[in-house]
Amino acid sequence: KAGVTQTPRYLIKTRGQQVTLSCSPISGHRSVSWYQQTPGQGLQFLFEYFSETQRNKGNFPGRFSGRQFSNSRSEMNVSTLELGDSALYLCASSQGTSRTGELFFGEGSRLTVL
Amino acid sequence: GQSLEQPSEVTAVEGAIVQINCTYQTSGFYGLSWYQQHDGGAPTFLSYNGLDGLEETGRFSSFLSRSDSYGYLLLQELQMKDSASYFCAVSTHAGNMLTFGGGTRLMVKP
Repeated sequence: KAGVTQTPRYLIKTRGQQVTLSCSPISGHRSVSWYQQTPGQGLQFLFEYFSETQRNKGNFPGRFSGRQFSNSRSEMNVSTLELGDSALYLCASSQGTSRTGELFFGEGSRLTVL
Repeated sequence: GQSLEQPSEVTAVEGAIVQINCTYQTSGFYGLSWYQQHDGGAPTFLSYNGLDGLEETGRFSSFLSRSDSYGYLLLQELQMKDSASYFCAVSTHAGNMLTFGGGTRLMVKP
């Protein structure tokens, strides 16, 4: 079956703009998590959605937001972009109902802020 | 806060065995996971330990000691394709919120 799909794969924005990233989870997966990966800070958790509800939230400012639709697809939005928001944004999905630590990651959306 | 410590780099030769350690300090603990990430690729799940002991999956094994807040990933019969970054990650909440270590870059040499 198809894996986790993220779009767009690459994008360039300028400071002050906003961006929306999209994630389609594996069919049947109800949990979608978002992570930010940078060389300096590593992999950091942004938020998790399960059945359209935010279940967990990381320590990121309110400029970072997300949502999940009834078909489990998810979007995350970053407003008022800063240079430090340049990163690889990874989406991960799972069934969300068992504790196995197993997430299925997409290839990511690489955001460059100029 | 949460913190996970793992070596930044490890080098080994093809066919050898390598162990990547991970120590953690977290408030709350559900389990320890390991992920592999090749350059330019997505992290892929390798193993999970929710209870103390050893989990074996082919050439890879993972160990957890909850009392010592310590775990390791053991890679046997190293192959060139094992050259990648390896991350330990702790689950501290119900759900899929993982706290990742900084990653260990493994270089396998011929």
